Amino acid sequence: AQKVTQAQTEISVVEKEDVTLDCVYETRDTTYYLFWYKQPPSGELVFLIRRNSFDEQNEISGRYSWNFQKSTSSFNFTITASQVVDSAVYFCALSVLISSGSARQLTFGSGTQLTVLP
Amino acid sequence: GAVVSQHPSRVICKSGTSVKIECRSLDFQATTMFWYRQFPKQSLMLMATSNEGSKATYEQGVEKDKFLINHASLTLSTLTVTSAHPEDSSFYICSARSGRYEQYFGPGTRLTVT
Repeated sequence: AQKVTQAQTEISVVEKEDVTLDCVYETRDTTYYLFWYKQPPSGELVFLIRRNSFDEQNEISGRYSWNFQKSTSSFNFTITASQVVDSAVYFCALSVLISSGSARQLTFGSGTQLTVLP
Repeated sequence: GAVVSQHPSRVICKSGTSVKIECRSLDFQATTMFWYRQFPKQSLMLMATSNEGSKATYEQGVEKDKFLINHASLTLSTLTVTSAHPEDSSFYICSARSGRYEQYFGPGTRLTVT
């Protein structure tokens, strides 16, 4: 079975601060995919990134960066110079690739509510 | 990018009535569609997985006779909440997958049962 843990329920920062959202996952499979999604108050999920288990290279996209470490089963997400518009719930998710080659359904973490104060 | 729509975005119904929610992939064919339920301040919980032309696979604890899913075409799946009760009030989100990896999420439907 798969499990995704986001230990931080709520985080509050002041604008321009950097913030890191933690994600720890559990799976016995060697091939899997990790995702981060943003859910603003409107409710619609916004895809941020997908990472496969064979690619531990960290990624940076503008103010966003992701640190994937298989040794600690973590896939942490950092927002640099946070902005009020970053306020949302962020979900980490795991999808395991099954033998047919088709990814299974996503297992979501419980989410982290990020509030960026002006 | 791929777009998934849901209709209606909000619905209020009386207890005992049935409500149908539509999920459409607008610019791609979705071999698989997923239905999630999200209670306030909680995570998304998968309810069922449906493949076009076949019966949906329900997650444990989800009543298939209460939550009817029809995936009649490669661009449309419907979720019907039958004999709705106040405890069914929730945010329902669908997603559609065309390839191996990506799930594209709809904007969600907020159901309130009075």
